[in-house]
Amino acid sequence: AQSVTQLGSHVSVSEGALVLLRCNYSSSVPPYLFWYVQYPNQGLQLLLKYTSAATLVKGINGFEAEFKKSETSFHLTKPSAHMRDAAEYFCAVSVVAGNTGKLIFGQGTTLQVKP
Amino acid sequence: DAGVTQSPTHLIKTRGQQVTLRCSPKSGHDTVSWYQQALGQGPQFIFQYYEEEERQRGNFPDRFSGHQFPNYSSELNVNALLLGDSALYLCASNNYGTGVSSPLHFGNGTRLTVT
Repeated sequence: AQSVTQLGSHVSVSEGALVLLRCNYSSSVPPYLFWYVQYPNQGLQLLLKYTSAATLVKGINGFEAEFKKSETSFHLTKPSAHMRDAAEYFCAVSVVAGNTGKLIFGQGTTLQVKP
Repeated sequence: DAGVTQSPTHLIKTRGQQVTLRCSPKSGHDTVSWYQQALGQGPQFIFQYYEEEERQRGNFPDRFSGHQFPNYSSELNVNALLLGDSALYLCASNNYGTGVSSPLHFGNGTRLTVT
């Protein structure tokens, strides 16, 4: 069965520092993988998606993620954190190939950015 | 271009009551999925509707039911409310069977509080 594990429920970085949010997945089929961001009192916004076309995926707001099949990982990074990046981040895997309506989400990682 | 809209934004109900939440998908989308997000948790898939039929269902009891209308909008109904049903209910839309080319777009959710 597919599953997602996000390592670290809280991550704190200084403004301008590297952001690294970890995600490991378990999937019996080639996965569709996603990162979503949730700002307070809002829904989820898609940051980026893994399409199997490239292992390094670039998303919005300067974020990127690298798919590593050997490590079953899809970690999210940003070279330089900004105050506006403070939010909840969710990694997700699609359960059914071809139909991404049913996603399995990780528990989420809260990113705190200190001035 | 209107995104996913949900109503109401907040709702307070008493145990045992019934509630109906509403969702209009993003323009151009034909599929609606519903998720429950408990406080401090990742979203959990409830069910997905396409062509007015439930296509997939998560691990939720029959107290949770839904409907999709010809204009693709959807309702989520919860009967016999329990305290544990208190959560943010998220609606998401995409196009059915298009895989990662049509990732989910989420609304801002309905915050349900059961007292």
